[in-house]
Amino acid sequence: ETGVTQTPRHLVMGMTNKKSLKCEQHLGHNAMYWYKQSAKKPLELMFVYNFKEQTENNSVPSRFSPECPNSSHLFLHLHTLQPEDSALYLCASSLAGGLSAQYFGPGTRLLVL
Amino acid sequence: AQTVTQSQPEMSVQEAETVTLSCTYDTSENNYYLFWYKQPPSRQMILVIRQEAYKQQNATENRFSVNFQKAAKSFSLKISDSQLGDTAMYFCAFMKDTGANSKLTFGKGITLSVRP
Repeated sequence: ETGVTQTPRHLVMGMTNKKSLKCEQHLGHNAMYWYKQSAKKPLELMFVYNFKEQTENNSVPSRFSPECPNSSHLFLHLHTLQPEDSALYLCASSLAGGLSAQYFGPGTRLLVL
Repeated sequence: AQTVTQSQPEMSVQEAETVTLSCTYDTSENNYYLFWYKQPPSRQMILVIRQEAYKQQNATENRFSVNFQKAAKSFSLKISDSQLGDTAMYFCAFMKDTGANSKLTFGKGITLSVRP
């Protein structure tokens, strides 16, 4: 709906699995973001990429590994997650620099068993 | 560090009536943006309205308007003629001008229910 798509929409994984979340934006933006949304908590910024370069890592555990091959695609590689990592993971994009609104994808609902 | 506070966890409004969602923030910055985002149940988060801090005029988008009080650091959202489709979580967010990064700080959100 907003030009930002995410796959898969739902994911169930065990703690020993490795999986990846994908985000793609069709808005011509050059900044992309990963957020974690847990119940009863504000959205937590995880990573920021500007022009494919990571410019922010908000003290995220190394079991989350982002990858940004180009300005339109963003991945979040997951391995050896914990049950407390279960959440909605949102991708967003914007124009880099200044005060630019961010546009969100639908999110991936992740459940770690 | 910036903080955004949405003290009301939930509100309810009758269809066609007006409701105001409150938001306060704390910052030492002078130039920043404020946003309201809407997240309907199981649907995508969408931008509702934005306000530049240097503009005194309150932003409006159709039935949505804000009351921006810079000195009081208050940024409330007014929804007029509420519709059933307005049922959603509403997040207030703050963005400071960091140059390279557009970092958003979100409040916890408020659940709005519109009653038929």
